Amino acid sequence: SAVISQKPSRDICQRGTSLTIQCQVDSQVTMMFWYRQQPGQSLTLIATANQGSEATYESGFVIDKFPISRPNLTFSTLTVSNMSPEDSSIYLCSGGGHSANTGELFFGEGSRLTVL
Amino acid sequence: GIQVEQSPPDLILQEGANSTLRCNFSDSVNNLQWFHQNPWGQLINLFYIPSGTKQNGRLSATTVATERYSLLYISSSQTTDSGVYFCAVGNGGGSNYKLTFGKGTLLTVNP
Repeated sequence: SAVISQKPSRDICQRGTSLTIQCQVDSQVTMMFWYRQQPGQSLTLIATANQGSEATYESGFVIDKFPISRPNLTFSTLTVSNMSPEDSSIYLCSGGGHSANTGELFFGEGSRLTVL
Repeated sequence: GIQVEQSPPDLILQEGANSTLRCNFSDSVNNLQWFHQNPWGQLINLFYIPSGTKQNGRLSATTVATERYSLLYISSSQTTDSGVYFCAVGNGGGSNYKLTFGKGTLLTVNP
C-alpha cells in the first residue's frame, strides 16, 4: 500500500485568499488525483495531476481556480484560489499504480478548509 | 460518465447485527473499491475488488461484474464500524485509475 500525507490537515481562511495544499506519497505512484468532498456529500474528482505537465481537469473545474503542480512521482500540490465560502470542503489527494498489477487507489487524510 | 448507486443511503444497526450494502453501476468496470470514511474524514481502503469475492475478518465483498453490482457484507457489527461506506468504480484504460464515487451508505451501529 501507499501512505499519503497531506498538509495542512485543516485551516480556516478568509474570503479572497488562496491556500496551497501539499500531498506527499511514500513511494512512487503512476497516478495522482485531487478530490473534493463538500459537507455531507460524496467525493468529486477535481483533476488528474500529471507529472511534469499541466493537470487534466474534470468538467466544472478550471486551472485558474485550482492550479495543480506535480514536479515528481511522489509529490503534488493543489491551490484553491480566491476562496469563497462555497469552497469550504475537504480536499483529498489520492495516488495509485505503484504496483504493476493493481489499480488500487489510496487516499490521504484530507485537508479540511473552512472559508469565512 | 459512469453512474454509481449505493443502497441503502442510511442504515441503523444494533451491535452484533449483520448487514449488506449494495453498489450498482451503469457500465462495465475494471476497477472497483470499497472505502470506509470514519468520523474524522479519513478514507480507509476496505477492498479492491473489480470481480470475485474477498474476505477480511468480519468484512467480505463480492463483485459480479457481468451484472454490474457489488455487495459489501459486515458481520457481527461493532460501534467502530459506524461511518460512511463508499463504493467507487473506474473503467479507464491502461494506467488510468480515475474513480467515480457513489453517494455512500451512512452506517450507525448502536451499542
